[in-house]
Amino acid sequence: KQEVTQIPAALSVPEGENLVLNCSFTDSAIYNLQWFRQDPGKGLTSLLLIQSSQREQTSGRLNASLDKSSGRSTLYIAASQPGDSATYLCAVLNTGNQFYFGTGTSLTVIP
Amino acid sequence: DAGITQSPRHKVTETGTPVTLRCHQTENHRYMYWYRQDPGHGLRLIHYSYGVKDTDKGEVSDGYSVSRSKTEDFLLTLESATSSQTSVYFCAITKDRPGYNSPLHFGNGTRLTVT
Repeated sequence: KQEVTQIPAALSVPEGENLVLNCSFTDSAIYNLQWFRQDPGKGLTSLLLIQSSQREQTSGRLNASLDKSSGRSTLYIAASQPGDSATYLCAVLNTGNQFYFGTGTSLTVIP
Repeated sequence: DAGITQSPRHKVTETGTPVTLRCHQTENHRYMYWYRQDPGHGLRLIHYSYGVKDTDKGEVSDGYSVSRSKTEDFLLTLESATSSQTSVYFCAITKDRPGYNSPLHFGNGTRLTVT
């Protein structure tokens, strides 16, 4: 069974800092990997989706990379802002067509 | 934001009672999913649907049933609620079959408490 791990579980940084969130998975036979943001009491908002054939995707200040062979993805956030404070989750889509989620990294950006 | 509405947003019910949660989408997406989110477990798939009247079980389907009589509606039923089913339930949709560059989009969730 696919296992998805996100470390650290919580991260606190000062405003303006660049930061990297990590996602690792045990089975490299994936179709794609998706990063989400979740605000308290809300659903998940899709940030970026990387297909298995891609190495990275960018959207604004966000850049996600994928190294399928090593089972790793990173989400890079440039020039962090207090509004970036949220929980960030990654999910991988297995060849069995099921999504597997990590438990998330809770990010706090301090003004 | 994808047009996904979950109802109710909050519900408190007693052990042994039936409960139905509703997911309504306005995107005309083919695939719909029910997940539950619990601390320390991440999101886990309960059931999913790949078309009207076409459904399949997910990782944690015991104690749950689903129905999809229209493209836009996907219902999750707890036949006899138990305290272990206290959770936050999320509905999600994808336009196409997973794997075709088709991202998951989520509703805002239903917080269910079983007393």
